[in-house]
Amino acid sequence: EAGVAQSPRYKIIEKRQSVAFWCNPISGHATLYWYQQILGQGPKLLIQFQNNGVVDDSQLPKDRFSAERLKGVDSTLKIQPAKLEDSAVYLCASSLDLQGNEQYFGPGTRLTVT
Amino acid sequence: AQSVTQPDIHITVSEGASLELRCNYSYGATPYLFWYVQSPGQGLQLLLKYFSGDTLVQGIKGFEAEFKRSQSSFNLRKPSVHWSDAAEYFCAVGAGWGKLQFGAGTQVVVTP
Repeated sequence: EAGVAQSPRYKIIEKRQSVAFWCNPISGHATLYWYQQILGQGPKLLIQFQNNGVVDDSQLPKDRFSAERLKGVDSTLKIQPAKLEDSAVYLCASSLDLQGNEQYFGPGTRLTVT
Repeated sequence: AQSVTQPDIHITVSEGASLELRCNYSYGATPYLFWYVQSPGQGLQLLLKYFSGDTLVQGIKGFEAEFKRSQSSFNLRKPSVHWSDAAEYFCAVGAGWGKLQFGAGTQVVVTP
């Protein structure tokens, strides 16, 4: 079974530029999560989708971050414009159901904002 | 609101020695508890989870964890570590519906 795929693996941008990350969850997984992991910290949930609907985006900085999962499968997370403090690893995870009792994580995208 | 504390930022252990990683949580109800491991450049992998029942939980790679309600703890143990166990370990508490609160992690270094 293929795991959660993410691209790109690394990205370096200047502040005020925009960037997008892509995630392909495990086939059949209805729930998809985006996490932000700042160096030295645990992952923090940004947004949670159930199929193509948003379940929780309470910690997403909506003035600059956006995410979509149009067909209930792949998802993109965008930052526009980026700030220095957005430097982090962005992790995508998926689970079979909304209860998320077992989340499977992708390798992450390491973003550096200079 | 729930929270997770991992008191040890960094632990060094000799290969073959035992390992115990501490995790304390704060949550108003019976929590769902998880331990994940993250190797360099990799995503998080679930080691084990506790929802209810037997308070001693067995996981993958020879790890186990014990839920102690009275101490609000969920410590991870391994009797004999291997060099491949060098990684960062995260404890997490689940509030239900997939919302996980992670601790800051414990970096484990294994020496020969």
